[in-house]
Amino acid sequence: AQSVTQLGSHVSVSEGALVLLRCNYSSSVPPYLFWYVQYPNQGLQLLLKYTTGATLVKGINGFEAEFKKSETSFHLTKPSAHMSDAAEYFCAVSFGQGAQKLVFGQGTRLTINP
Amino acid sequence: DSGVTQTPKHLITATGQRVTLRCSPRSGDLSVYWYQQSLDQGLQFLIQYYNGEERAKGNILERFSAQQFPDLHSELNLSSLELGDSALYFCASGTSGRRTYNEQFFGPGTRLTVL
Repeated sequence: AQSVTQLGSHVSVSEGALVLLRCNYSSSVPPYLFWYVQYPNQGLQLLLKYTTGATLVKGINGFEAEFKKSETSFHLTKPSAHMSDAAEYFCAVSFGQGAQKLVFGQGTRLTINP
Repeated sequence: DSGVTQTPKHLITATGQRVTLRCSPRSGDLSVYWYQQSLDQGLQFLIQYYNGEERAKGNILERFSAQQFPDLHSELNLSSLELGDSALYFCASGTSGRRTYNEQFFGPGTRLTVL
């Protein structure tokens, strides 16, 4: 079955520390991968996406993610956390070309400690 | 701002009632998707319309229905509301061709509270 798993519903890091949010997927077809961020009382904003080509993708606000096919992973990282990064982060997968929906992970709430 | 608009922002109603949520997609996008976000179910895909026609269905209850109009805006109708229908409902739009990777742009959501 096709699924998306985010490891850790809550992650807490200190300001200036590395941010690592984990996402694994299960798929029988080549996936297209996305990370979205949701700030309180707001909609989802696309951070970055992997479709084809380079497996390391850069997004907005200093985030990047690497697609590792052998590990079926698409972890999100940022070298140095800012207070403004506190939000909920969702990994989403579109399973194959022309797929009609995004399948979301359960989300990871990121807290930044001063 | 994603370019996707949703109205109303908040909706409070009673059990058994019917409500309509409205979505206007980004200019040029032919597809509209509806998602439900709740604490226990997370983000769940409900239904997709492409250029006025239903394209895909997800975990949408029979009490819920949607349509997309010729001007491409979409409405999600929720009827016989139950307490468990309280959630944040998102609309997203995208190009959604047969050879695309289905990037979707989300609206700000409508928060529905059923009392």
